This record gives sequence, C-alpha cells and structure tokens, in this order.
Amino acid sequence: DTAVSQTPKYLVTQMGNDKSIKCEQNLGHDTMYWYKQDSKKFLKIMFSYNNKELIINETVPNRFSPKSPDKAHLNLHINSLELGDSAVYFCASSQDFFVGQGGTQYFGPGTRLLVL
Amino acid sequence: GENVEQHPSTLSVQEGDSAVIKCTYSDSASNYFPWYKQELGKGPQLIIDIRSNVGEKKDQRIAVTLNKTAKHFSLHITETQPEDSAVYFCAAKVRSGYALNFGKGTSLLVTP
Repeated sequence: DTAVSQTPKYLVTQMGNDKSIKCEQNLGHDTMYWYKQDSKKFLKIMFSYNNKELIINETVPNRFSPKSPDKAHLNLHINSLELGDSAVYFCASSQDFFVGQGGTQYFGPGTRLLVL
Repeated sequence: GENVEQHPSTLSVQEGDSAVIKCTYSDSASNYFPWYKQELGKGPQLIIDIRSNVGEKKDQRIAVTLNKTAKHFSLHITETQPEDSAVYFCAAKVRSGYALNFGKGTSLLVTP
C-alpha cells in the first residue's frame, strides 16, 4: 500500500541514452512533482504538475520532460543522458497545487540514476 | 528566488540529549515551513510543519519554532534516540507557492 512509488529503484546507463523513470501515487492527489538530489544531498525542484498546469524550474535542461498519462502518474523522460545527470530523482505528490494549502508533499523512495 | 540556509551540516549528540537544527529564509512572503527526515536509501518523510500564523508547534519529542521577524525557524528534538539518526531537511514554500526550497540538510547522529 505504498503511497508514492517509483520504478526503477536503480538505473545504470550509458551517456547519450534516453531513459524514463515512472512514478505512481495512490493517494488521490491532484499534484505531482519531480525533485533531483545531488551527491551532496541537495534537493531541488524540477517540475510541478497538475491537470491544469506544468511549472518548470528554469534551470532544468529541456532534455528532461515530464509526461502524465493520468492523474496518478507522472513519468520523467530524459533524453541524451549526460554524466552530470547522475543523481537520485524523487517523485512527490500533494493534494493541492499550492504547497501548504491543506496538503503535505509525500515523497517516493527515489530512483538512483548513474550515467557512465 | 527563495534561499534556505540550514545549520549545522552535521550534528552528533548522545542518546537522551536534545538536538537543535536552525534554518533561515530570505523571502518574507514565505508562509509554510516543513521539516523532513530522510533515512538512508529512502525518500524524505515529513515529520512536522509550521505555518506563518503560528510561532511554535509540538508533536511529542519534536517541536518547531518560527520567528517571522528574524526569518528563521528551528527544529528541536528532545530525548534523542538512535533511531533519530538521519538527514533532516528544512524547507520553505517558494514565492509562487508551487514547490518547496530545501536547505542543504543536517546529518544527525545519535550515539548510544
């Protein structure tokens, strides 16, 4: 009965490849997020998305794109992977689009991406 | 954008002692401040949060205080236990409200 789940847990791939990470939440939340955690544990927002709006952190390269087949899923596609993309990627969800308005952000277990 | 500074980066205490982690934020419009605990190999888990209309909030051994004037907030853990060992993150809502800006984390070690 995991609230926010991600697959795969580990992903090792070569530079230049295209890969996807999947996220699913069973909380009935309206909003989902992708965060990147670097080797120094720094957590940074990449995307926020609900069925009405996608907000992209302007520092995120356009090689990264979120895709939502339905409200319970927000997948992360990464094209032309680079060494610097190696990190842990966390999916999260909340009830409301605006943080703190009735909804807490719940995080998934993370996907550890290593680009060789 | 919002900057969240967190100190210390590492903290070691003996079991039973108290631990205090401090954060400052730059955007006076921020009004929501959660704290997350991240155990090894897991995602961050919310442990307590506070909104700007409140100065203090407690939940058993955990408390958070907020000083809006000084733009800082702190996490207090009393009677620490070895299972409290983890990385703790403070966060503040970004101005647009759509996400959180996180501090750089505090690695807390509670030794028996």
